[in-house]
Amino acid sequence: DADVTQTPRNRITKTGKRIMLECSQTKGHDRMYWYRQDPGLGLRLIYYSFDVKDINKGEISDGYSVSRQAQAKFSLSLESAIPNQTALYFCATSDPTPSNTGELFFGEGSRLTVL
Amino acid sequence: KQEVTQIPAALSVPEGENLVLNCSFTDSAIYNLQWFRQDPGKGLTSLLLIQSSQREQTSGRLNASLDKSSGRSTLYIAASQPGDSATYLCAVGNYGQNFVFGPGTRLSVLP
Repeated sequence: DADVTQTPRNRITKTGKRIMLECSQTKGHDRMYWYRQDPGLGLRLIYYSFDVKDINKGEISDGYSVSRQAQAKFSLSLESAIPNQTALYFCATSDPTPSNTGELFFGEGSRLTVL
Repeated sequence: KQEVTQIPAALSVPEGENLVLNCSFTDSAIYNLQWFRQDPGKGLTSLLLIQSSQREQTSGRLNASLDKSSGRSTLYIAASQPGDSATYLCAVGNYGQNFVFGPGTRLSVLP
């Protein structure tokens, strides 16, 4: 099994629907991230969490919310999806402590299409 | 605010050539720098991680160097192969914060 698992991998939905993307990890890392990737724009940070009680907005958080249900689980919600939220979404983890390298590990991505 | 750029944006080379991809960042106070590979529509695969105290890392035909003072990292690919065709991204890890990605270099290696 993958260390960082995202579900669903693909989702097509309609404007105005609520969507949740889920991420779970088995690496035991405290830090988790949600990124969005659009052609020509690279990866942009939506939200990040340094532990269960810590949630921080990234550069493009408007229209999104997150929940850190446990150390291993970090979900991203679109309360009312709109077409310009069509993108490839990635979850990632890292653990930049002295005993770890701080390497960033990614899930395989969730492709969301909003019609 | 950390900004990361990558040059060139796209590169096409014949098989067998050695090539260099460049990554530049504006704030030299970094924790680490990581190079990734991404195939179209797929996830990111980590290639090399360089800690801020290191100057280079090697893995097979890949060598990444880091010069914090000049805000630059290079990824050297030796004896390129068609299977190396992908987009290569660098990501800069900032102390206590998060990671900032470059826009990527799209590499095509022609048979």
